[in-house]
Amino acid sequence: AQSVAQPEDQVNVAEGNPLTVKCTYSVSGNPYLFWYVQYPNRGLQFLLKYITGDNLVKGSYGFEAEFNKSQTSFHLKKPSALVSDSALYFCAVRAHTNNDMRFGAGTRLTVKP
Amino acid sequence: SQTIHQWPATLVQPVGSPLSLECTVEGTSNPNLYWYRQAAGRGLQLLFYSVGIGQISSEVPQNLSASRPQDRQFILSSKKLLLSDSGFYLCAWRSGFLEAFFGQGTRLTVV
Repeated sequence: AQSVAQPEDQVNVAEGNPLTVKCTYSVSGNPYLFWYVQYPNRGLQFLLKYITGDNLVKGSYGFEAEFNKSQTSFHLKKPSALVSDSALYFCAVRAHTNNDMRFGAGTRLTVKP
Repeated sequence: SQTIHQWPATLVQPVGSPLSLECTVEGTSNPNLYWYRQAAGRGLQLLFYSVGIGQISSEVPQNLSASRPQDRQFILSSKKLLLSDSGFYLCAWRSGFLEAFFGQGTRLTVV
């Protein structure tokens, strides 16, 4: 069975500074990896995904993530954080041979002006 | 384009009452459908998923059930709600290796 760990409940950064939200995963075989963002009382919005190929994936709103197979990680990054990036971020994994999708516990990102 | 509808947006139900939450998808055929529950604004717990009509996989034993009477309709039900069923319920669909797309969620409060 697959699983996702987001080791940080909370990440605080100053506006304009780079941000990283960490994610590690466990899956049998090759993974599909995803990042989503959630604003209060809303559904999840897709940010980016890794399917295959280039380990660095670029997504919406200037976010990117790097797939590292040896470390089984898929950390979300942004070079310069905005106050509007403050939200709850979820990492998710699905095995190529599986239909269910597992999410991490979420990391609350707060960007302070 | 594909869209997903989930309703109601909010629901307050007494303990012991039944529940029915509905999710429908437009613009795609034979999607994989999912019900998740999110407690206290944190992690998502996979409750059920379905790969086709009448095919339901249950991830967590509890007093909830799911049904898929039509290709693009997914229903979450309970015969008798418990206080612990309160939470934010999210429906999602997926096709192929694409990402999952989520509905706007239902905030259920059991009183």
